[in-house]
Formats: sequence, structure tokens, C-alpha cells
Amino acid sequence: AQKITQTQPGMFVQEKEAVTLDCTYDTSDPSYGLFWYKQPSSGEMIFLIYQGSYDQQNATEGRYSLNFQKARKSANLVISASQLGDSAMYFCAMREFNTGNQFYFGTGTSLTVIP
Amino acid sequence: GAVVSQHPSWVICKSGTSVKIECRSLDFQATTMFWYRQFPKQSLMLMATSNEGSKATYEQGVEKDKFLINHASLTLSTLTVTSAHPEDSSFYICSASRSLQETQYFGPGTRLLVL
Repeated sequence: AQKITQTQPGMFVQEKEAVTLDCTYDTSDPSYGLFWYKQPSSGEMIFLIYQGSYDQQNATEGRYSLNFQKARKSANLVISASQLGDSAMYFCAMREFNTGNQFYFGTGTSLTVIP
Repeated sequence: GAVVSQHPSWVICKSGTSVKIECRSLDFQATTMFWYRQFPKQSLMLMATSNEGSKATYEQGVEKDKFLINHASLTLSTLTVTSAHPEDSSFYICSASRSLQETQYFGPGTRLLVL
């Protein structure tokens, strides 16, 4: 089974609107972390936001927030007030703290912000 | 803080030559470094995980004799593509992690083209 699933290969959003990028995960490890990264066309991976499995509140970082629904095993990224510079690939990732060391990545979502 | 450099950013080489890519954590000590490969419009594929002073752990299907990884210190890891062939052309990205419950910080990536 896929550890991380991103079901939206491509998304479009109007500038200044909010957009939600979906991510579901699969793990039996009770201790894990969920991460979102942005990859613009330059190729560099940029860390956006982190949610720990034991965190009680949803993580927020500026215009980024993570809608963490533990029972559903989902960790959707919400970008508010979209900007043209938000156009990029977005990857969801997970790290299992008890089971191993590696990060598992989803297939990514290509976001295009329309002026 | 948490800056990772990667050198070179671009390399073009002839088939049969070896190419070395360096990954450095500039302002922190990395307990673990990761090497990824990424094909166009695809997700990151983990090649290997390396810890300082010990042998790298390669993912299934990655030839350890082809992709030599040396993690000489807590701030430096190198990936050598030996006897490179055109099918090795790809985008290689390294990352470094300070601790288990923290994000990985990515280098800017190296684009390798083998002629």
C-alpha cells in the first residue's frame, strides 16, 4: 500500500483565493511526522510546514495551514490568499519515528495560480 | 539556519566517466543525509540513506557499486556516479536531517546529463 497518496495531479486556483491540496497517509506507527514541501520550476525543495502525530492543534505557518484529521489519516495543505509565486509542485511526505529513518513522498500536486 | 549546499549544480559528462556530487550542511551537523533521484514531473525517489561513519543503506534496485556514497563527516556526504551512462541522466537531490523529529533540509539539486 502507498504510504502517502496525493490524488490531485494538477490544481488551478485564482489569485487571492484559498486552495486545499489533499494528502492521505497510511501507517501503523503511532509516532510520525507529516511534512509539506514546495518545488518550484528551479527544482529546489522548500520545506513549508510540519505536523506531528501527537500535536493537538493544526500547524500553521503564515499563509500555510495543515488540516490534520488523524482518524481519517489525512493531512491536507491549505494555502490562503494564493499568489502567483505559489505556482509549483507540492509534495506531501511522512516520516515514521519508530519504524525507520526515511521520508515517504507522495506523487505531488502541480498548482497553477491564475491571475 | 539549516542550509544545505550541493555542488555542482550542473554537470555534463561523457559516457563512461565518473561524476562526484557533494552535499554539505553549512550551519548544522546532520545525523542523517539522504540522496534522491527525480525524473521530470515525477516524485523524489530515495536512493540511499547515509549516517556519518557508517555504510549507506541503499534502497532496493539501487546499485551500490554504481552509486557510491561516502558520508565522511557530520557535514559532508558525497555521491559518485561511476561509469556514467545516458540512462543515469537525472536530477539528483541531497538532503540532511538534524534529528529524527524534524524536517530534512534539501540541497538545490544537481542536474546530470550524460552524453
